[in-house]
Amino acid sequence: DIQLTQSPSFLSASVGDRVTITCRASQGINNYLAWYQQKPGKAPKLLIYAASTLQSGVPSRFSGSGSGTEFTLTITSLQPEDFATYYCQQLNTYPYTFGQGTKLEIK
Amino acid sequence: QVQLQESGPGLVKPSETLSLTCAVSGYSISSGCYWGWIRQPPGKGLEWIGSIYHSGTTYYNPSLKSRVTISVDTSKNQFSLRLRSVTAADTAVYYCARVTLTGDAFDIWGQGTMVTVSS
Repeated sequence: DIQLTQSPSFLSASVGDRVTITCRASQGINNYLAWYQQKPGKAPKLLIYAASTLQSGVPSRFSGSGSGTEFTLTITSLQPEDFATYYCQQLNTYPYTFGQGTKLEIK
Repeated sequence: QVQLQESGPGLVKPSETLSLTCAVSGYSISSGCYWGWIRQPPGKGLEWIGSIYHSGTTYYNPSLKSRVTISVDTSKNQFSLRLRSVTAADTAVYYCARVTLTGDAFDIWGQGTMVTVSS
């Protein structure tokens, strides 16, 4: 199985900050990398697919980059509604796998 | 708009079979996408269970493969999950979701349904 390791696992930031979350894959995944946001009691919401393509309706302060085995999710100018848990997922190879999650908390 | 809705018992006894259905509305299940099940134990991360195509082609997580069956009913525009011989470790929120046509994300998710395994 392809392992995805997110860092950090916890992140404390303030409204207006810029934050970056990293997702490292144990082998190359051909940019089949998605990022999701999950709020308590809610289903995950797709933010980014194909490593860097913004899902329709997602604010442009979210961006994704990377290739090969290292990928990043960047949120510029954090808004109150952005405090949530973020997951990366690879869909290059079965079984699909998720990172362990990054919980973004208000400082 | 496309909507997915999970349904099934919220409580299952140990050693029995968990059965859930995902009803798809606003989109034909035969339109070329894969469909999947994902679960999340309380307070933990996400785990992909398996995916199915409208033709019936399936892919399962090896960690669950011996106990899982995913099936599709195109006439009802729905797909289903059966997980046999459940234990407390199978207690989780179960989500159904649609894979994009390009196969690079789960773009539409159901709201999720909590299933507790307990006697």
